[in-house]
Amino acid sequence: EIVMTQSPATLSVSPGDSATLSCRASQSVGINLAWYQQRPGQAPSLLIYGASTWAAGIPARFRGSGSGTEFTLTISSLQSEDFAVYYCLQYNDWPPWSFGQGTKLEIK
Amino acid sequence: VQLVESGGGLVQPGGSLRLSCEASGFNFNRYWMSWVRQAPGKGLEWVANIKEDGSEKYYVDSVKGRFAISRDNAKNTLYLQMNSTRVEDTAVYYCARFDWLLAVDYWGQGTLVTVSS
Repeated sequence: EIVMTQSPATLSVSPGDSATLSCRASQSVGINLAWYQQRPGQAPSLLIYGASTWAAGIPARFRGSGSGTEFTLTISSLQSEDFAVYYCLQYNDWPPWSFGQGTKLEIK
Repeated sequence: VQLVESGGGLVQPGGSLRLSCEASGFNFNRYWMSWVRQAPGKGLEWVANIKEDGSEKYYVDSVKGRFAISRDNAKNTLYLQMNSTRVEDTAVYYCARFDWLLAVDYWGQGTLVTVSS
């Protein structure tokens, strides 16, 4: 079973600044890694798939990178609606699918 | 694409519940479908997957032998039969569509299952 580890658990950033979120896999998942955003009281929504490809309608300030075991989600020019919880998901080797435990992005 | 879950509610430990997810806006019989849950204040946990034609099903270890995923392609509906429920099954259950390229690309709004006496 592949274990996904996200860091940090909480990230405090000021609006307008950039944030860098990390996701590490216990073994290689190639580029089969997706990122999701979850706002309070809402279902998750897809941001990035294939480690670096934007889902439909996602602004370019969200950028995914990485391959193998190390992945990064960078969000630039943070806006109020970006403060949420972010999850990574590996879909390379399943079952089981593996989600990271999440990074909460909060306003500083 | 729309996924609408129903069937959640309060159930006693050891009891049963059946969740449904009505899909619309896409060719339901061409996609794997999934259930993902989220305990209160916790992260996301994959529960089960089912192949387009229902011939393959996979479960997280903690629900094997207790939960059953199924689908009715004629009705564009996904199901999750929950038996022998436990307090730790308390969560919002999301129905989700899986695409081999896009991963989980659409989610329902979720239905809350509370297991409590």
